[in-house]
Amino acid sequence: GESVGLHLPTLSVQEGDNSIINCAYSNSASDYFIWYKQESGKGPQFIIDIRSNMDKRQGQRVTVLLNKTVKHLSLQIAATQPGDSAVYFCAVLNAGNMLTFGGGTRLMVKP
Amino acid sequence: DAMVIQNPRYQVTQFGKPVTLSCSQTLNHNVMYWYQQKSSQAPKLLFHYYDKDFNNEADTPDNFQSRRPNTSFCFLDIRSPGLGDAAMYLCATSRTGGLAKNIQYFGAGTRLSVL
Repeated sequence: GESVGLHLPTLSVQEGDNSIINCAYSNSASDYFIWYKQESGKGPQFIIDIRSNMDKRQGQRVTVLLNKTVKHLSLQIAATQPGDSAVYFCAVLNAGNMLTFGGGTRLMVKP
Repeated sequence: DAMVIQNPRYQVTQFGKPVTLSCSQTLNHNVMYWYQQKSSQAPKLLFHYYDKDFNNEADTPDNFQSRRPNTSFCFLDIRSPGLGDAAMYLCATSRTGGLAKNIQYFGAGTRLSVL
């Protein structure tokens, strides 16, 4: 089955810097990917998604990059703010049309 | 306004005492999910409903049951909670058609403590 991993459990960045959170997946046939943000005591919140026919998608201050060759996904957050502090999960749509979640990266923003 | 609403936000139960968690949605989505999330871990899917069709994950213990009386509501019943069932329980919804299909929208969760 699908396995999804994140490269770092914790990422600490200075306020105003850019953040990059990485994710690797195992199934080369995966065609849909989502990033979620989960703040303490809350449910995961949808940030951005991307389909396999694209390699880049931009939202407000966020960019998702997809490299299908190496089965790697990244979330870039521009000008990181204290409100960006949270755990970030990547999720991959598996063969059963369910989402397989990666282990999560905790982003800490230093003032 | 919250679109997926879970009640209660915090639930304390005793070891072995049945407990029910509830979820409601205003999105009219046909798919509803229940996840278990332990601290700092990824959400783990317990089961989901496609409309009224119940789909259990292979490794979900029999202790966990679910009911979906209508499109808007879904319940998670834990028949005999053990200490290991203490966790955050997340409800999510999605739809099977349209551009936004497969995006799951989560509630705020119910944190269950077992004494």
